[in-house]
Amino acid sequence: DAGVTQSPTHLIKTRGQQVTLRCSPKSGHDTVSWYQQALGQGPQFIFQYYEEEERQRGNFPDRFSGHQFPNYSSELNVNALLLGDSALYLCASTSLAGGLYFGPGTRLTVT
Amino acid sequence: SQKIEQNSEALNIQEGKTATLTCNYTNYSPAYLQWYRQDPGRGPVFLLLIRENEKEKRKERLKVTFDTTLKQSLFHITASQPADSATYLCALYPYSSASKIIFGSGTRLSIRP
Repeated sequence: DAGVTQSPTHLIKTRGQQVTLRCSPKSGHDTVSWYQQALGQGPQFIFQYYEEEERQRGNFPDRFSGHQFPNYSSELNVNALLLGDSALYLCASTSLAGGLYFGPGTRLTVT
Repeated sequence: SQKIEQNSEALNIQEGKTATLTCNYTNYSPAYLQWYRQDPGRGPVFLLLIRENEKEKRKERLKVTFDTTLKQSLFHITASQPADSATYLCALYPYSSASKIIFGSGTRLSIRP
């Protein structure tokens, strides 16, 4: 049983560019959340997708957008990248036990 | 303002001792609280969940307490081992925001042999 998978593992982009990160939830999970984690900080909630719709959103600008597909996989898109967008981007799916199952993350570096 | 605070200083414990980590929160009404372990460069791993009407939860060498009056949770690792060295995150699930689990910044725990 595969856990949460994310791609790519690492990514280097230039300021102003756009990036797309991908996530497949754990088998049987239909809800996907995205988090941004800066170095030395806890994960910050970006948004959550359920039934292909954005259900909740954190305090992130419209440059951050997402999508969920019928197979429950999800994408996170960030436009007009800023240096401050450099972080570990985590995808998580929800378990019946109430905890979040996190993927390994995508390390995004903006130069 | 709403805050979740964990020990900002790293915690260094001798192997075999009990490690105790603290999570304090203000201006939240959490439905439940969770603890996660995170190793460098990896995603957090869910450990335990405790609900607001539960005082204590145990899982093997782990114990979590939840005091809604003090607005505090304590996370204990008994008989600590060097393999327990990691960053531990607490997270709140507030009633007010159904999906937005809110994380503290974590406490780095080091267990020395």
